[in-house]
Amino acid sequence: QKEVEQDPGPLSVPEGAIVSLNCTYSNSAFQYFMWYRQYSRKGPELLMYTYSSGNKEDGRFTAQVDKSSKYISLFIRDSQPSDSATYLCAMSGVGGGADGLTFGKGTHLIIQP
Amino acid sequence: GAVVSQHPSRVICKSGTSVKIECRSLDFQATTMFWYRQFPKQSLMLMATSNEGSKATYEQGVEKDKFLINHASLTLSTLTVTSAHPEDSSFYICSARSDDPALLPRSGNTIYFGEGSWLTVV
Repeated sequence: QKEVEQDPGPLSVPEGAIVSLNCTYSNSAFQYFMWYRQYSRKGPELLMYTYSSGNKEDGRFTAQVDKSSKYISLFIRDSQPSDSATYLCAMSGVGGGADGLTFGKGTHLIIQP
Repeated sequence: GAVVSQHPSRVICKSGTSVKIECRSLDFQATTMFWYRQFPKQSLMLMATSNEGSKATYEQGVEKDKFLINHASLTLSTLTVTSAHPEDSSFYICSARSDDPALLPRSGNTIYFGEGSWLTVV
């Protein structure tokens, strides 16, 4: 079993819809959870950074972490065509990712105009 | 602030030759730099972790003699792919970690990624 599981998609939704992306993990040592957006042939861009369980909201993005279920989610409200990209979840056992990040495979998201 | 630059962004080399990729932290000192590799439609896989002035720590399955990492200063790390083969063709991405409290954003994140380097071995 891989440490981080993420459905690769593609996930196609109409513009304006609420998008739900998620990852599951097996390593209970993970404490820090991140979501990155990656456009084709570019480096990843950090969207959300959370510690332990709970919710965090930033504009149209909401990140949720449920450590008891080892399940994290990213919600995108009022989705736009410019949100079309690959979204990767990442996790770390140490603050600041000092031990390197473990990434999910990434979900390819397509927002249809 | 907190910009990480990679060079070259794209490189094509012949099989059997070596190629060097640079990763620079432009406006901060990076105590730790990480090198990842990403194959098409795959996740980023951590290859190695390097700390300035010491030997890199390689992940299991990564050949240290093939992927030479040098972290000579707090702002520069290099990855050299030696005797490159077509199967080494991939997207290589570095990230840098800052311990500077002045750079610590509200989010708490201290990892900054470069734009990546596409390597094609022909």
